[in-house]
Amino acid sequence: KAGVTQTPRYLIKTRGQQVTLSCSPISGHRSVSWYQQTPGQGLQFLFEYFSETQRNKGNFPGRFSGRQFSNSRSEMNVSTLELGDSALYLCASTGTRDSYGYTFGSGTRLTVV
Amino acid sequence: DAKTTQPPSMDCAEGRAANLPCNHSTISGNEYVYWYRQIHSQGPQYIIHGLKNNETNEMASLIITEDRKSSTLILPHATLRDTAVYYCIVNSGGSNYKLTFGKGTLLTVNP
Repeated sequence: KAGVTQTPRYLIKTRGQQVTLSCSPISGHRSVSWYQQTPGQGLQFLFEYFSETQRNKGNFPGRFSGRQFSNSRSEMNVSTLELGDSALYLCASTGTRDSYGYTFGSGTRLTVV
Repeated sequence: DAKTTQPPSMDCAEGRAANLPCNHSTISGNEYVYWYRQIHSQGPQYIIHGLKNNETNEMASLIITEDRKSSTLILPHATLRDTAVYYCIVNSGGSNYKLTFGKGTLLTVNP
């Protein structure tokens, strides 16, 4: 079956701009999570959505937002980009049973210049 | 903060078993132990998880101590493609819907 699809794979933006990243989960998965990975901070949780509702949010500023659509696809948006937002952004999906593992996408590499 | 402790790096010879330890002394009764790995610049890959009993799948085996305060991931016949950062995570799943990653163990498989 198809995996988690993230688009675009690479993105270069200028400071102050905004960006929208997209994630299509595995078919049937209703939970979608987002993570930021940087060399300094490692993998950090951004937020998680289930049935279009945000159930948990990590410790990130309000410039980071997300949403989930009725087909479970999700987007995350970062406004007023800063140099420190340069990172690999990863999306993960999981089925409804709590003990299932998460399947990650390959990520979107965002570079802010 | 991550609730697990792992060695920062380990080496293993190709074809030998790789045994990756993880301490999780504050694990709660309803928390599972998960293992993921991340090959450079790719998304983490789920390997295996367990609650109390030892588990085995096509990728690896997971040995959890009886007191559940530590576990070991075993890759029975390591290959060069197993070189990656391995993360041990404890997660109850039901209440917080997130994975808390630590720094993991960089496993280098040498020819």
